[in-house]
Amino acid sequence: DAGVTQSPTHLIKTRGQQVTLRCSPISGHKSVSWYQQVLGQGPQFIFQYYEKEERGRGNFPDRFSARQFPNYSSELNVNALLLGDSALYLCASSSDRGLDGYTFGSGTRLTVV
Amino acid sequence: GEDVEQSLFLSVREGDSSVINCTYTDSSSTYLYWYKQEPGAGLQLLTYIFSNMDMKQDQRLTVLLNKKDKHLSLRIADTQTGDSAIYFCAGGAAGNKLTFGGGTRVLVKP
Repeated sequence: DAGVTQSPTHLIKTRGQQVTLRCSPISGHKSVSWYQQVLGQGPQFIFQYYEKEERGRGNFPDRFSARQFPNYSSELNVNALLLGDSALYLCASSSDRGLDGYTFGSGTRLTVV
Repeated sequence: GEDVEQSLFLSVREGDSSVINCTYTDSSSTYLYWYKQEPGAGLQLLTYIFSNMDMKQDQRLTVLLNKKDKHLSLRIADTQTGDSAIYFCAGGAAGNKLTFGGGTRVLVKP
């Protein structure tokens, strides 16, 4: 079984640019969450989607947006990139109620220069 | 909101037991998780415990939960060099967001 897949694995962007990160959940999982992990810190919650509806939003500016598609895959968009957006962006998928925990992908390493 | 705190670093000799501690503030967390992160990798779910349990054992891993003190611990028996990693505890309600601690770096010495 394929796990949670994220693309790209790495990318470098310039300040002010926009970026789109992609995530495919485990087959059968309908919930996708996004987390930002700055170097040396624990992951911080950005968004959660379930059945294409936003279920939760963390304390991030409006430059961050996301959506979930009918096949349950998801995109995270970040506009007007700042140096401080440099981080590992992790996607997690879970079953309906997350009773079995959340399975994370390997992440996308974003560097803003 | 929830705060989750962990000690920063733990050094242990190969073959000894490791104990990683975590405290949390939100008593509504119904699930408490332990994740492992190796360099350059994502998070690997190790184990989790429901808030109505006191203990859970899974092979070399033992989780203890003290709800009164809001204290969670992960014990790794017979620690191996492959256990060297950063360990995160996280809490959340079923189906909702997770709140992570800052992580404990575990170094296993031969």
